[in-house]
Amino acid sequence: LAKTTQPISMDSYEGQEVNITCSHNNIATNDYITWYQQFPSQGPRFIIQGYKTKVTNEVASLFIPADRKSSTLSLPRVSLSDTAVYYCLVFSGTYKYIFGTGTRLKVLA
Amino acid sequence: DGGITQSPKYLFRKEGQNVTLSCEQNLNHDAMYWYRQDPGQGLRLIYYSQIVNDFQKGDIAEGYSVSREKKESFPLTVTSAQKNPTAFYLCASSPGLPQADTQYFGPGTRLTVL
Repeated sequence: LAKTTQPISMDSYEGQEVNITCSHNNIATNDYITWYQQFPSQGPRFIIQGYKTKVTNEVASLFIPADRKSSTLSLPRVSLSDTAVYYCLVFSGTYKYIFGTGTRLKVLA
Repeated sequence: DGGITQSPKYLFRKEGQNVTLSCEQNLNHDAMYWYRQDPGQGLRLIYYSQIVNDFQKGDIAEGYSVSREKKESFPLTVTSAQKNPTAFYLCASSPGLPQADTQYFGPGTRLTVL
């Protein structure tokens, strides 16, 4: 199972673009990359999932380089309500995700 | 309104007592999961079930038990054998796809042992 490495914490200001990079060096050929957002005392919320190149939805973009050993979650124009913990996970088809400690994003006014 | 429900939201237990946490989903998902989260930590997998009447141990199954008698329900029992049960418990479900499977989480149950 692929493990992931993310920065422990990040600070940003409202209105800025935030990029959170995740390393997953031993990702397998068929693995997908998934990002979740979690607020205190709530369940994680699915943000975005991708396999290669770029994926975009209404809340975020996910950039995956050709070697797929890392990925970057991009949050455009963050607001105070984006303050949360963000988890990068690799799904390997075994019904098991491995959650690390995530990245604590703090958005400042 | 589709989704995953967990009850109760808060639960208090005396040492030595078993307690059961409820998880129900109406998403018609085949797979269901139980995670434990401790303060400042990520989620750790307790048990998971790919289909009805089948379940597998996760990374920290000791002191816990589950059943999967119905597709929509996956209750978790925290037994007295669990040495440090105070934690935030999260239930999730997913379609069970072989690739790009996405887990959807419930709101969680916070268990406190008194």
